[in-house]
Amino acid sequence: KNEVEQSPQNLTAQEGEFITINCSYSVGISALHWLQQHPGGGIVSLFMLSSGKKKHGRLIATINIQEKHSSLHITASHPRDSAVYICAVYDNFGGADGLTFGKGTHLIIQP
Amino acid sequence: EAQVTQNPRYLITVTGKKLTVTCSQNMNHEYMSWYRQDPGLGLRQIYYSMNVEVTDKGDVPEGYKVSRKEKRNFPLILESPSPNQTSLYFCASSLSTGSNQPQHFGDGTRLSIL
Repeated sequence: KNEVEQSPQNLTAQEGEFITINCSYSVGISALHWLQQHPGGGIVSLFMLSSGKKKHGRLIATINIQEKHSSLHITASHPRDSAVYICAVYDNFGGADGLTFGKGTHLIIQP
Repeated sequence: EAQVTQNPRYLITVTGKKLTVTCSQNMNHEYMSWYRQDPGLGLRQIYYSMNVEVTDKGDVPEGYKVSRKEKRNFPLILESPSPNQTSLYFCASSLSTGSNQPQHFGDGTRLSIL
């Protein structure tokens, strides 16, 4: 089963700072998901990527399949970006079929 | 509006009293899954279903049951809840199984078993 590690676990930054969250995994995959969990608990899918880079507004996600590593960047961070960001990979080994998640990065952006 | 709906959102109950958490999606998705989220452990898969009448265990299935009689519904059943099942539960669905499908999550159900 894939092991998914995220860093940092907690991150506090000032408004406007450039944010980077890292994710690494142990077994080769075909796609990786980045999710955002709001303070109220709901989970939203931000990106699904299998190579290169994707951009949506101020969010950028990159993946290096060979190095088994992905990063999520937030440019010009804002307090409304405060949330838990979760990296997940699809696992279908040993009878499983679903996402394996990292433990999340708790991001706080201070005004 | 495309959505995954879970009910109830919050429930406090006692050990041994059977409960069901409902999950319904309106996107005609084949794949549905239940996850639990615990501090320090993250999200873990409980059960999943690839289609009607097809269900299978995830990583932490003990103490749970599911059924998939209709495509849109995937209830999670706790026959005899225990305090270690106190957790935040999420239902999710996607068009089909596979890594290239985004998953849509419900808003979560916070269960407290006393």
